[in-house]
Amino acid sequence: KNEVEQSPQNLTAQEGEFITINCSYSVGISALHWLQQHPGGGIVSLFMLSSGKKKHGRLIATINIQEKHSSLHITASHPRDSAVYICAVRLFNHDQFYFGTGTSLTVIP
Amino acid sequence: DTEVTQTPKHLVMGMTNKKSLKCEQHMGHRAMYWYKQKAKKPPELMFVYSYEKLSINESVPSRFSPECPNSSLLNLHLHALQPEDSALYLCASSQDGSTYQETQYFGPGTRLLVL
Repeated sequence: KNEVEQSPQNLTAQEGEFITINCSYSVGISALHWLQQHPGGGIVSLFMLSSGKKKHGRLIATINIQEKHSSLHITASHPRDSAVYICAVRLFNHDQFYFGTGTSLTVIP
Repeated sequence: DTEVTQTPKHLVMGMTNKKSLKCEQHMGHRAMYWYKQKAKKPPELMFVYSYEKLSINESVPSRFSPECPNSSLLNLHLHALQPEDSALYLCASSQDGSTYQETQYFGPGTRLLVL
């Protein structure tokens, strides 16, 4: 069983749709990261959360520490948002991260 | 400069070859990481260096040998690899690995094919 579970695994949306990707974890964490990986490999860190909510442009990330759950929302989705979105958690007193399996998002024009 | 660079971008090697992957950052970060990522899987941590010292080695076979010659550079030396080692190798860096709220900055990766 993975410590970090993401859903859905694959998601196809029409341009303009509101998108939600979910992440649940089963361990005590100090921080949760949302990462974006485009085809070709490079990974970009979108958000780092330890509580509450963060917003950057059309992206919103929330975390509920009590429920061990985080969501990444994309408003007014665009084809350039097509990528794999990965949730990663950092354990207390650890250097390492546990990664979710990723959500592959395709936004169709 | 918030960039982590990796060279080469692509590498094809035979099982008897010796090659090296290189990672460089000039953000003053003191923690650097090597990850291995197979297709359609999340990255797996291989090594963590903190202040040029190896702090985590996630039971990686000895055919992978990391080296951190200085705070800006991280190498991964490869020798006698197997075809199943073919993957995307990602390097990342962060402030110093000791505080809980650190963003890791990732490089673009080296795509390795072992024949």
